[in-house]
Amino acid sequence: AQKVTQAQTEISVVEKEDVTLDCVYETRDTTYYLFWYKQPPSGELVFLIRRNSFDEQNEISGRYSWNFQKSTSSFNFTITASQVVDSAVYFCALSDSYSGGYQKVTFGIGTKLQVIP
Amino acid sequence: DSGVTQTPKHLITATGQRVTLRCSPRSGDLSVYWYQQSLDQGLQFLIQYYNGEERAKGNILERFSAQQFPDLHSELNLSSLELGDSALYFCASSVSETSSDEQFFGPGTRLTVL
Repeated sequence: AQKVTQAQTEISVVEKEDVTLDCVYETRDTTYYLFWYKQPPSGELVFLIRRNSFDEQNEISGRYSWNFQKSTSSFNFTITASQVVDSAVYFCALSDSYSGGYQKVTFGIGTKLQVIP
Repeated sequence: DSGVTQTPKHLITATGQRVTLRCSPRSGDLSVYWYQQSLDQGLQFLIQYYNGEERAKGNILERFSAQQFPDLHSELNLSSLELGDSALYFCASSVSETSSDEQFFGPGTRLTVL
């Protein structure tokens, strides 16, 4: 069965600190996709990144970086030099095929990040 | 702005009633997904339509139903509403038939059942 665990429900950091949001997933599929979405206080979810299970390269986009490790089933997200605008709820998600049907996506419970000025 | 629109933004109704939520996907997207976000359940996938046909089903109650019309907009119908149905309902769209692509979310409809 699919499962996404975001063990950190809330994190507070002071502006300019680095912060890592953890994501651990479970799947029986060999082909799957991992995502991170951001939900700012305004409420609308915004796509951040997509990774397929065959691409373990880490990715950096500005202050954001992602570390995908199949060996530990983790897809962690690091924000460097955090800013107040990074305050949001961040969701990790997994898309894979479930038995007898089409792919579906499972979201983690989300990590609420508060960046204090 | 994701390009996905949802109406209404807010809906207040009473238990036992029926409501319809509407979603228009981004131009060119053929898949529409519906999600329910509540404090205790998190973000739950309800159902997906692709080009008018149901593609995947998640934790959707029998009291809920959806459809996607020829112009690709979608409606989510919630009936015999209960207090526990109060939540934020999101619609998302994507290009492909599967959920392997990124999804673009609408602003959501906040449903309050009194």
